[in-house]
Order: sequence, then structure tokens, then C-alpha cells
Amino acid sequence: DVKVTQSSRYLVKRTGEKVFLECVQDMDHENMFWYRQDPGLGLRLIYFSYDVKMKEKGDIPEGYSVSREKKERFSLILESASTNQTSMYLCASKTSAGGGAETQYFGPGTRLLVL
Amino acid sequence: AQSVAQPEDQVNVAEGNPLTVKCTYSVSGNPYLFWYVQYPNRGLQFLLKYITGDNLVKGSYGFEAEFNKSQTSFHLKKPSALVSDSALYFCAVRVYNFNKFYFGSGTKLNVKP
Repeated sequence: DVKVTQSSRYLVKRTGEKVFLECVQDMDHENMFWYRQDPGLGLRLIYFSYDVKMKEKGDIPEGYSVSREKKERFSLILESASTNQTSMYLCASKTSAGGGAETQYFGPGTRLLVL
Repeated sequence: AQSVAQPEDQVNVAEGNPLTVKCTYSVSGNPYLFWYVQYPNRGLQFLLKYITGDNLVKGSYGFEAEFNKSQTSFHLKKPSALVSDSALYFCAVRVYNFNKFYFGSGTKLNVKP
């Protein structure tokens, strides 16, 4: 089974802090994604990566950056946390080897509260 | 623009009754469609997907979904609901940019005993 793990289930940070969210997958997937989930808005894509050191902006990249130095690890960075970044953050991964039909596999999520 | 709509924020159904969770989509080209389920304080779990072929797709936990191209819909169904089906359900579509998925806003399913 694919396993996607996220470093923290719950985080509380102060406004202005730099925040790191870590995601690790164990299935050698090429593609990794960061979403945020807010009630009534569903999941919105922040960034994704299709290879080591490669990244592309999603629909809401402002205030975020990412890092992918190793294939299995994809980090989301909040450079200066703000209260409107309080949310549930979900990491996902998928292979590229399915002709487009691949399923995304999700981690358990990190619930971030910025005070 | 690519989009997915789940018109119902919440669906209530009695245990043993059939359930339907609705999803419509708007994409350029042929869609790849997915359903995911999320239990409280958990990540999303894959239920089923439509890629091509038979319009009726069967998935995990007795769920199925019907792809209707003319109505651009992909409704999730189950013949007999269980209390344990109570969760948040998301419809998603993959668009021409191979790596991008668009998700609906989610539908909360409540199954009452």
C-alpha cells in the first residue's frame, strides 16, 4: 500500500513565524502535491512537483513556497505565517506511469492554527 | 475554465435506503473523474474513478458512480446506505494538464440509523 505521511497532525504557530510542513511518500512517486482544505471551498492546489527540484504553482501559491530535494520528500513553507493561512493542509502523491489515469494518494493532513 | 460542482453541501439519508451524491463537471477534452471520501480528521481515501469504457463504475465499500457525458455528471451512488458511510465526499476531475486535479467543494453525507 502507498503510504504518505505528514510530519505533524496539529500545529499552532504565531503570526510572522516561518512554518515548515513536511510530507514523505514511500512508493517512489514522481508527482507530489500540496493542497489546503477549507470548509465550503473543497481542496485547492497550492503547489505541485513532478520531479526532484521541479515545482509548479497551483491555484493559490501566494504566501507559500515549496522544496523538493529528494524524490520522497516534499516540503511546504509558509515564509511568514498569517491568520488567513489557518487551514487543513493535505499532501498527496501519484505515479506518472498510468497514462493519465493515476490516482492520487493522500496523507492524513496537518491542521495548522496561526494565532 | 475547468471546474467541478457538488451542488449539495449535505445529504441526509436513512440507513438501508439508497443514496446519491451529485457531481457535475466542466472541462476541456475528455475528463478523468474521481471520487474520494474523507472521514473526520483523516486524509482523503480513493473510492473509484472513471477513465473510459463502461459508464457505470464500481468502487470500494459498495459504491458506484455513473458517468453521463451528455449531462456532464458523475453521481456517486450506493443501493443501501450504512451509518458508517457518514463522511465527507469529494468529486475530482483531472484536466488536460496531466498533473492538475480540480476538486468539488465536498458533500457531507449523514446516514441516520
